[in-house]
Amino acid sequence: AQTVTQSQPEMSVQEAETVTLSCTYDTSESDYYLFWYKQPPSRQMILVIRQEAYKQQNATENRFSVNFQKAAKSFSLKISDSQLGDAAMYFCAYRSRRSGGSNYKLTFGKGTLLTVNP
Amino acid sequence: ETGVTQTPRHLVMGMTNKKSLKCEQHLGHNAMYWYKQSAKKPLELMFVYNFKEQTENNSVPSRFSPECPNSSHLFLHLHTLQPEDSALYLCASSRDAAGGYYEQYFGPGTRLTVT
Repeated sequence: AQTVTQSQPEMSVQEAETVTLSCTYDTSESDYYLFWYKQPPSRQMILVIRQEAYKQQNATENRFSVNFQKAAKSFSLKISDSQLGDAAMYFCAYRSRRSGGSNYKLTFGKGTLLTVNP
Repeated sequence: ETGVTQTPRHLVMGMTNKKSLKCEQHLGHNAMYWYKQSAKKPLELMFVYNFKEQTENNSVPSRFSPECPNSSHLFLHLHTLQPEDSALYLCASSRDAAGGYYEQYFGPGTRLTVT
């Protein structure tokens, strides 16, 4: 079974600075997806960024980028130029890339609560 | 309304009450999901419906009873709950729950408190 570990329950960053959230995972599969989800205080969880394991290039979405280290099973999220609206709970998640059965399931970490200080 | 909506947003119920949570998606998706989110724990998948058929019951106690009358609506019927069932219940939908990758879209959740 896959597991996802977020070792930082809470993080804080000054507005306009950069912060990195950590995530490690365990799997025996070679092809999968990794995600970062954001859950603001309003609680609607949204997808921030997605990485496909077969792609060596790190995914980037505007101020959000990942550092995907497949051999180390590490998947960190970097937020550059942090804004007050980035304050939220961030969840790392894993999904198999195989079709069928229960492979659509997302396995989530426990989350990291990010505070942005003005 | 757009996206995934959930009602009510907050619910307080006694252990002997019967209540229902409602989820509606306006995205034309065919798969719907119930998750339980407890403090300091990962999200737990409870139930999955794909094209109105239940495809997943993740060992959920029978005091939680899902219903999916059509691809746009999902209910979670609650009865004889325990205080440890207090949590945020999230609904999600995706185009499909089989085949390739389809992003899951989440609703805002129902905060349930069992007294």
